[in-house]
Amino acid sequence: SYELTQPSSVSVSPGQTARITCSGDVLARKYVRWFQQKPGQAPVLVIYKDSERPAGIPERFSGSSSGTTVTLTISGAQVEDEADYYCYSAARVFGGGTRVTVL
Amino acid sequence: EVQLLESGGGLVEPGGSLRLSCAVSGFTFSNYAMSWVRQAPGKGLEWVSTISLGSGSTSYADSVKGRFTISRDNSKNTLFLQMNSLIADDTAVYFCAKDVDGPLHWGQGTLVTVSS
Repeated sequence: SYELTQPSSVSVSPGQTARITCSGDVLARKYVRWFQQKPGQAPVLVIYKDSERPAGIPERFSGSSSGTTVTLTISGAQVEDEADYYCYSAARVFGGGTRVTVL
Repeated sequence: EVQLLESGGGLVEPGGSLRLSCAVSGFTFSNYAMSWVRQAPGKGLEWVSTISLGSGSTSYADSVKGRFTISRDNSKNTLFLQMNSLIADDTAVYFCAKDVDGPLHWGQGTLVTVSS
């Protein structure tokens, strides 16, 4: 079975840039999605196909890919971006999640 | 507007059964694959099962294979998850999701607690 590895936590000051990585061998041949989940809420798609942004997602969210690692970048992080972020690959696997703290 | 509403969760004893439902609206249900994803308390997301648009293909996580059965009723725009032989590790919030090469839109989830 495949595994996707994320850091457990990332902290950033408001207005600064947060970067969350997701690593796994399967990412060399599968696209990644990123989901944002706030406490008590359902996950929300923020990035698909490694770097595409769905309608309604702020431009400060972006994605990139290099080999077996993909990165979610939040440029100019806002307090409302504080949440858990999960990567997901088409191999039906989620990363373990990254808690992003903005303070 | 895409809406997915799960129901059927609750408290069940180990070894028991439960059937979850997910009623959808806002899109043509029969045109899309559907999935169940769960989240144990304080833990991450875990894919559980996926069913193709015509029910011709189903897949399951190893952790639930042989115990859970996914199905759908396209005439009623409803997705189901039959859960048998439940164990404590099945305790989680269960989300249904519209699937387009992976989860896309999610419901708010229904809590299943397996405990004596």
